[in-house]
Amino acid sequence: DAGITQSPRHKVTETGTPVTLRCHQTENHRYMYWYRQDPGHGLRLIHYSYGVKDTDKGEVSDGYSVSRSKTEDFLLTLESATSSQTSVYFCAISERGTGSTNEKLFFGSGTQLSVL
Amino acid sequence: AQSVSQHNHHVILSEAASLELGCNYSYGGTVNLFWYVQYPGQHLQLLLKYFSGDPLVKGIKGFEAEFIKSKFSFNLRKPSVQWSDTAEYFCAAFSSGSARQLTFGSGTQLTVLP
Repeated sequence: DAGITQSPRHKVTETGTPVTLRCHQTENHRYMYWYRQDPGHGLRLIHYSYGVKDTDKGEVSDGYSVSRSKTEDFLLTLESATSSQTSVYFCAISERGTGSTNEKLFFGSGTQLSVL
Repeated sequence: AQSVSQHNHHVILSEAASLELGCNYSYGGTVNLFWYVQYPGQHLQLLLKYFSGDPLVKGIKGFEAEFIKSKFSFNLRKPSVQWSDTAEYFCAAFSSGSARQLTFGSGTQLTVLP
C-alpha cells in the first residue's frame, strides 16, 4: 500500500467550529486530492493540489479550504463546520496526475467526520 | 458537465453467478476510464483502467471491463463471483478537457451470498 496517513481517523464536532483534516504521504507524489464520500453520490472532489502551494477547486469546494506548504502534507479545513459536511473524507495521491497515461490514484483510509 | 452514471445501486448474487455492472459516462473526446473497489472498512483500490488500445481490459481478481465508445459505456464483468467480491464498486472517468478532475459514479454495492 502507498504511504498515506490521514488524521484523525474519526472526529465528532459541533456546528460552527473549525476543523482541520490532515493527509500525510511518504511517496513524494506531486498530486494530492481531497474527496468526500456520501451514500448515493460516490466520491466527489473537494480540492486538489498539483504542487507545493498550488491548489485548485474541485466539484464541491464551497465551505472548504486547503493548504499545501510541504510536498508531504495536504490539509483540508472546514472553516465553520455544518451538518451537511458530515461525511467520510478520503485523501488520494498520484505521481503524474489523473490524466496521465498509466497513472492511478492511491487512497488513504479515510476520516469519518460527524458534525452535530 | 461531465458525469458518470452507475444505474445499479445494489446487486445481490449467489456465488458462481456471473456479474455485470453498468457504467456510462458523458464526455466527448479522449476519455480515461477506471473501476475502483472498496471492500468493507477499507479504502478504494484500483481494479482496472482503460487509457487506449484494446477496449477489453483485464484487471485484478478476474475482473474485466469493455470500453464501448459508441455506447459511452465501460461495464465491469466477472464470469463467476465469490463471496469475497462483496464490496462497493465505483466507476470513474477522466476527460482531457476536465482540468485534472477524476469524476466518480455513485457506486454499486455488490453482495455475494455464500
